[in-house]
Amino acid sequence: QVQLVQSGAEVKKPGASVKVSCKASGYTFTSYYMHWVRQAPGQGLEWMGIINPSGGSTSYAQKFQGRVTMTRDTSTSTVYMELSSLRSEDTAVYYCARVGEMATTGGAFDIWGQGTMVTVSS
Amino acid sequence: QSALTQPASVSGSPGQSITISCTGTSSDVGSYNLVSWYQQHPGKAPKLMIYEGSKRPSGVSNRFSGSKSGNTASLTISGLQAEDEADYYCCSYAGSSLRVVFGGGTKLTVL
Repeated sequence: QVQLVQSGAEVKKPGASVKVSCKASGYTFTSYYMHWVRQAPGQGLEWMGIINPSGGSTSYAQKFQGRVTMTRDTSTSTVYMELSSLRSEDTAVYYCARVGEMATTGGAFDIWGQGTMVTVSS
Repeated sequence: QSALTQPASVSGSPGQSITISCTGTSSDVGSYNLVSWYQQHPGKAPKLMIYEGSKRPSGVSNRFSGSKSGNTASLTISGLQAEDEADYYCCSYAGSSLRVVFGGGTKLTVL
């Protein structure tokens, strides 16, 4: 079945970097864009950016420009999100979410990963 | 880019209907017919409930409906059930480069 499986929880110190993975299965990896969304404890969803797994092009939210890097590995059907210069405010659950087909989902986020908790603490 | 505006909370009794509003601007909700709504239960990933403002994905109950007028989108849940108690988020594409903006979320309580 179609699914996104993310890497496990991380604990990082302020100033460090974290790299979260999202492995896709059950569909053609390069045919669907992927977003990254985060959710701080008790807070709402926040869009971070999007990557085209086919060519690797990216678009990032202005808030994360310069700190976030999204990449992909087509050989393993995996996308990655790396966030640098971590601070306590980056403590959140990070989700990858697939962009569905326009015909059936209007490009909405149709499949989500299970989420990866990243804790930033000294 | 500012988040879309949603009420923090709404409530209703079983069997009743509720509506959640989502107000954006002419740069996002008002410009694109690409508003989606997501349901999120505690500790779970969000689930797509409505796309393109008013369409339901396969498997989503027809008790969920959506609409849009100008810069405001709305989600209506009819025949409220206990399992509808969750957080709901609206979302819109916003300009070029496939940028996205979410609403702040609305907590639905079924009394």
